[in-house]
Amino acid sequence: DAKTTQPNSMESNEEEPVHLPCNHSTISGTDYIHWYRQLPSQGPEYVIHGLTSNVNNRMASLAIAEDRKSSTLILHRATLRDAAVYYCILRAMAYSGAGSYQLTFGKGTKLSVIP
Amino acid sequence: GAVVSQHPSRVICKSGTSVKIECRSLDFQATTMFWYRQFPKQSLMLMATSNEGSKATYEQGVEKDKFLINHASLTLSTLTVTSAHPEDSSFYICSARDMTGEKLFFGSGTQLSVL
Repeated sequence: DAKTTQPNSMESNEEEPVHLPCNHSTISGTDYIHWYRQLPSQGPEYVIHGLTSNVNNRMASLAIAEDRKSSTLILHRATLRDAAVYYCILRAMAYSGAGSYQLTFGKGTKLSVIP
Repeated sequence: GAVVSQHPSRVICKSGTSVKIECRSLDFQATTMFWYRQFPKQSLMLMATSNEGSKATYEQGVEKDKFLINHASLTLSTLTVTSAHPEDSSFYICSARDMTGEKLFFGSGTQLSVL
């Protein structure tokens, strides 16, 4: 599986934008870039995903480099509820008869939001 | 959005007993469910992939006789930790993918404490 590299931790002031970087230099042409976040003592939550083009949804934006070797998750206005561990994951499709689909979690970036 | 319900949220048991954790997809059919384990301050580790109507696929190092997975319907998968020991104490999380989407939906997790 292609690996991702993220900073261990980041801090942001409340109501300011946050740019969470992710490097994935060994990404393959068919790998989707996924972002999930995990609040304390909860299961992960889907944030956003993309393949080549930048993506926007109500939670965040995903900016993907032209060579796809890196991406950035953008939270436009950080709130205290955004404090979580953010995981950047490449979806590796296992080509089996069942068409299985796996996500391998790395260590992620722990985002702290300062009031 | 899609909801995955996981029960119980917390369980404390004596060493040697078995514990069953349920994972239900509430508003969609999940042909594939995934079981993860997370130790404190660590990332999620995939334990097994559960496919409806067939045997689960276990990751390397996960004992299939200890962690029994049953996926008898399109909306329910269960993980049974048999003969639990203190080293099995962990946060167990299930997830499900619907038949059409790129996203995974996660349960809220089960904190297992084995005394």
